[in-house]
Amino acid sequence: GAVVSQHPSRVICKSGTSVKIECRSLDFQATTMFWYRQFPKKSLMLMATSNEGSKATYEQGVEKDKFLINHASLTLSTLTVTSAHPEDSSFYICSAREVERYTSKRWGTDTQYFGPGTRLTVL
Amino acid sequence: AQKITQTQPGMFVQEKEAVTLDCTYDTSDPSYGLFWYKQPSSGEMIFLIYQGSYDQQNATEGRYSLNFQKARKSANLVISASQLGDSAMYFCAMREDQDSSYKLIFGSGTRLLVRP
Repeated sequence: GAVVSQHPSRVICKSGTSVKIECRSLDFQATTMFWYRQFPKKSLMLMATSNEGSKATYEQGVEKDKFLINHASLTLSTLTVTSAHPEDSSFYICSAREVERYTSKRWGTDTQYFGPGTRLTVL
Repeated sequence: AQKITQTQPGMFVQEKEAVTLDCTYDTSDPSYGLFWYKQPSSGEMIFLIYQGSYDQQNATEGRYSLNFQKARKSANLVISASQLGDSAMYFCAMREDQDSSYKLIFGSGTRLLVRP
């Protein structure tokens, strides 16, 4: 369980074009999804929190008009990089929050499961 | 101040031996969760183990265990019987439950290399 898919896995585009990346929770409903950006040999940088049915919450310094996020259903969030430029080239990775109920072993956990990532190259 | 600190940028371990990856955290929130993720060269982030601040016992998942020392604010990951496939980046992360955004704060990561 707790599988998150991300599409495409790799995209190369020309400068000035827009690119859409999809993030899907395959076997659970995710009211909250997250979008991260990762530079080579660095940690993950949270870009925004995507809540189903409401506007995304962007982290400081992230341009909301450049990185459009839509969370139209409980299993799908999309990130659109608008008018992409070479400096937008990066590894983008999404996660979906799964809230588990209490089981006999332990209290319910609240875990983020990650998609496989999308490598964006802007020429 | 860093909320999550991983002081080991790189670690080596011999195959079949155990290894401990360090993680310390800083929070004033009494309720929080601690996570470890593995990121192989392919880039995917694989969830390994979770520890809640109120959990009485240290979390274990197969060869992974979390050495949770609440007073010291440390949550070290122990990998037993290392395998070549364990070579990867490992990230420690924390979720503070007073933060209603549920976002994770990541450490800088530790690169583990398992030697044959």
